[in-house]
Amino acid sequence: GQQVMQIPQYQHVQEGEDFTTYCNSSTTLSNIQWYKQRPGGHPVFLIQLVKSGEVKKQKRLTFQFGEAKKNSSLHITATQTTDVGTYFCAGPGGSTLGRLYFGRGTQLTVWP
Amino acid sequence: NAGVTQTPKFQVLKTGQSMTLQCAQDMNHEYMSWYRQDPGMGLRLIHYSVGAGITDQGEVPNGYNVSRSTTEDFPLRLLSAAPSQTSVYFCASSYSQVPPLHFGNGTRLTVT
Repeated sequence: GQQVMQIPQYQHVQEGEDFTTYCNSSTTLSNIQWYKQRPGGHPVFLIQLVKSGEVKKQKRLTFQFGEAKKNSSLHITATQTTDVGTYFCAGPGGSTLGRLYFGRGTQLTVWP
Repeated sequence: NAGVTQTPKFQVLKTGQSMTLQCAQDMNHEYMSWYRQDPGMGLRLIHYSVGAGITDQGEVPNGYNVSRSTTEDFPLRLLSAAPSQTSVYFCASSYSQVPPLHFGNGTRLTVT
């Protein structure tokens, strides 16, 4: 089953509104990664968070890793039509090296 | 560099047929993996490999076989295709399980 839970599944916003997607794990994660998939495309790596409480920014995107390293969020400020796509979080599967489990993703639609 | 190359891009099979999805990378990555993507289910790990000669199962391995005879190639074999295997398949690779995970463009498989 899914090791990493992600909500919401869908989000529709008007251009200029903010957007947030959340990722939760029942176990402590050594790191969490975020990917973006444009419609019809393949997932593309955005960022990796490793430290407890870590916050990283990429222009209008803010990524956070929880203090307990069990949850993470991606926040987009003032969405643009170019932000359209599905955002996935991914975390390693326990102690087994090589397993990277993806959340189900949040599909973002932005109305102009 | 070509990155991760998947062939074919599209494939239609009849139930019971077998086929091999090809994946090759030219980045000398040790780690390679196969995911399937179904609507609302995110990316689910099928099999992965941490190096030539080493493979292991992911979340949904049943009905699929893999081998890793070279660092560059990681083919995915469907032994007897079933309609439940209709999906988009992504191959991905990374350097020694360190992000980022580089994805191929995917193979869209339909089993009738």
